[in-house]
Amino acid sequence: KAGVTQTPRYLIKTRGQQVTLSCSPISGHRSVSWYQQTPGQGLQFLFEYFSETQRNKGNFPGRFSGRQFSNSRSEMNVSTLELGDSALYLCASSSAGSQETQYFGPGTRLLVL
Amino acid sequence: GENVEQHPSTLSVQEGDSAVIKCTYSDSASNYFPWYKQELGKGPQLIIDIRSNVGEKKDQRIAVTLNKTAKHFSLHITETQPEDSAVYFCAASGYSSASKIIFGSGTRLSIRP
Repeated sequence: KAGVTQTPRYLIKTRGQQVTLSCSPISGHRSVSWYQQTPGQGLQFLFEYFSETQRNKGNFPGRFSGRQFSNSRSEMNVSTLELGDSALYLCASSSAGSQETQYFGPGTRLLVL
Repeated sequence: GENVEQHPSTLSVQEGDSAVIKCTYSDSASNYFPWYKQELGKGPQLIIDIRSNVGEKKDQRIAVTLNKTAKHFSLHITETQPEDSAVYFCAASGYSSASKIIFGSGTRLSIRP
């Protein structure tokens, strides 16, 4: 079974731009969660989607948004990029949610200049 | 809000010795406690988990203990090997699959040869 894939793996943007990251979950998984990982803050929860609906949201500004498609693939978007948005963005999929093993992708490393 | 504190942030042990990482959580409704290992350039991977109806769980060299009264849980790695070097994250999740997963800030474990 193929693992979680994320595209692109690396991205360089400038302040003020927007970015869209993509996550393809393991086949059959309906829950996709997004995390921001930085050296000082660890893994910060962004949001979780389940069956195309946002089920949970972390404490991030409205510039961070996401969606999930009918095939469970998910995208997250960050608008008006700031230097502090530079981070590794990880997505994780599971069959039903937080009570089960989260399978993480390799992440997208975003650098904002 | 929910919070998971993890200590220490860095840990260096001699190969063959034991390593212990401790976490405390704030939400008394938490009942699922997974541990993830993240190697360089990869996403986190589940190594062991425990649910609130169990006080201890062991899988070969890895064990996790849970004290619900004190709201803390610990990861124990015995007979450490060089491949145990990685960043370890504890996490806590509530009573349903729709609950959030809150991660600790991580522990960088280094095994000295």
